Amino acid sequence: GAGVSQSPRYKVAKRGQDVALRCDPISGHVSLFWYQQALGQGPEFLTYFQNEAQLDKSGLPSDRFFAERPEGSVSTLKIQRTQQEDSAVYLCASSRRDSREAFFGQGTRLTVV
Amino acid sequence: EDQVTQSPEALRLQEGESSSLNCSYTVSGLRGLFWYRQDPGKGPEFLFTLYSAGEEKEKERLKATLTKKESFLHITAPKPEDSATYLCAVLVFGNEKLTFGTGTRLTIIP
Repeated sequence: GAGVSQSPRYKVAKRGQDVALRCDPISGHVSLFWYQQALGQGPEFLTYFQNEAQLDKSGLPSDRFFAERPEGSVSTLKIQRTQQEDSAVYLCASSRRDSREAFFGQGTRLTVV
Repeated sequence: EDQVTQSPEALRLQEGESSSLNCSYTVSGLRGLFWYRQDPGKGPEFLFTLYSAGEEKEKERLKATLTKKESFLHITAPKPEDSATYLCAVLVFGNEKLTFGTGTRLTIIP
């Protein structure tokens, strides 16, 4: 596709429910990033993949957060046993191997009630 | 710890009134400084990358500059469609993650 695609755009989860957020990066982009953005704040790094390898997961806030990119293309961010503080917009970004310019998707707004 | 501070938090300008947004940073080793624009309900949209002090880049009414401690985003004769949140981010040596500031919410009044 022309840009980074994320789905769903909106997700409402009951506290304790598991959720899965999907990211389709720009075709051919090797690097893929997940960020979390709270209301009124800048995005905060969660994790980074190069192809299928997860090279940095230092920003994942707890072991309830898990990300994968098994074939080096589509990525899924999974949050287990969601809590209210997980409510945020989750942004995915991708970039080419030879570029530092990351292109972002529109994000998934997660609301935990 | 790498830190990025943006000011002001919010800025209201009349259409045509030029101004500047500031991004100051404290990092261990700068690989690049990035400016993004974010509209409500959308993801950040890439504007510029600056790599070294003294570098400048322009796009339409926007010009970004970089020193060793800060970056400025100058907006000349803004239009209402320039209204958005402008985010600054840094990339440092040793990792691939962007560290963002909290943004400047810019409103241009017709």
